[in-house]
Formats: sequence, C-alpha cells, structure tokens
Amino acid sequence: GQQLNQSPQSMFIQEGEDVSMNCTSSSIFNTWLWYKQDPGEGPVLLIALYKAGELTSNGRLTAQFGITRKDSFLNISASIPSDVGIYFCAGSGTYKYIFGTGTRLKVLA
Amino acid sequence: NAGVTQTPKFQVLKTGQSMTLQCAQDMNHNSMYWYRQDPGMGLRLIYYSASEGTTDKGEVPNGYNVSRLNKREFSLRLESAAPSQTSVYFCASIGQGREKLFFGSGTQLSVL
Repeated sequence: GQQLNQSPQSMFIQEGEDVSMNCTSSSIFNTWLWYKQDPGEGPVLLIALYKAGELTSNGRLTAQFGITRKDSFLNISASIPSDVGIYFCAGSGTYKYIFGTGTRLKVLA
Repeated sequence: NAGVTQTPKFQVLKTGQSMTLQCAQDMNHNSMYWYRQDPGMGLRLIYYSASEGTTDKGEVPNGYNVSRLNKREFSLRLESAAPSQTSVYFCASIGQGREKLFFGSGTQLSVL
C-alpha cells in the first residue's frame, strides 16, 4: 500500500543536539501532520501544516510544508531525554491520511 | 472530555474466531478511521468513514469489515481471525475545518 518515505529510520543523538527528519511522497498533499508516539500509547499530534511553504513552531519543534507539497520536515532543537520516541509524519489529500514508517529517536544523556 | 475511546485494550483470539473492536469519539467529529500498526511498518489505513453513513477501503482492508453505527461510533470486525492480523489497532477521528487527526490509545490483538 501507499506509504510515505520517512528518514532517517532511527537516530541516536546527544542531549542538547538538534534533530532533523523528513518525509517525501510521490503524491501531492493538502495537509501534513507530525506525531510522536511513546511505547504503549497512541500517536499524539505535535504540529499541523495546511499550506505549501508554511513554517510552524511548537516550543522546540519546528515543521515546514514543502513548496512542492510533496515533502515536509520536522526539526527538534536542543533535544532532551524525554524527546525519545517514534516520530511519524502523515499526509492527506482529502479524507485519507497516509503515514510514514517512523523515525525512532534515542537521546543519550 | 474523553476524546477517542477504544475497547478492548487487549485481546487474544484463536485462529478462525470473530470479534469486533469498538471505537467512540465525543468530539462531534465527522470522519473516523481504523489503522493497524506493525513493527517497522508505521500505521496502515484499514478503513475510513468520511461521514456518517459512508465507509471506504484504505490500504489494507482484506479480512476486515466496518460499521459506522452513528456519528460517534465506528466499529471494526474480524469475521475469521488469522495470525497475520496480530497487530495493534488504532481508531482515529477528525472534524471539519482545521484538520487534526486524533487517536485512541489502541487495542493490542494477538491471534494464535
């Protein structure tokens, strides 16, 4: 089935470092969403993007909706141990929301 | 405000058994979704309901049926469970306007 290409698959970083991850698609999307999932929990929405070129921040998190409408990136600045988890992107054209395969983030104190 | 509620949280089935996963949302959302999550596969869309009275297939619908019982409730049924359906199932919903997809806490299903 259709899925978004999300990279990297996993990353180990030192506390305090900045993190960047991205998603690309062969399809054009009208909405990009970024989620974080902790073990045993459902995904929790971090940032929502609705227009090409849009740049949105939520605390230490910043995400952008690519100009081509086929990609998006998420940056985390000054990472802390509680940032550990799996981050997912999701794109939507109309009613269908398709998810990336996730980026597993591990933060070393 | 409970948001999206899924039941049960855990379930073990034998191959060939049937069961229904329940989902309800109290946010007056129009659209509801069922996803499954397998290790390394992310979330894959099984079925969705854009509005009350409509349902559509997602990426992996085989072996499942759904019912949009009313605006609040969207159930997922496994008629004859198979080991390949061992997974974590998530229900989600979204309203009109600024589109934010909200998830329940999941149902962990094992089929032996």
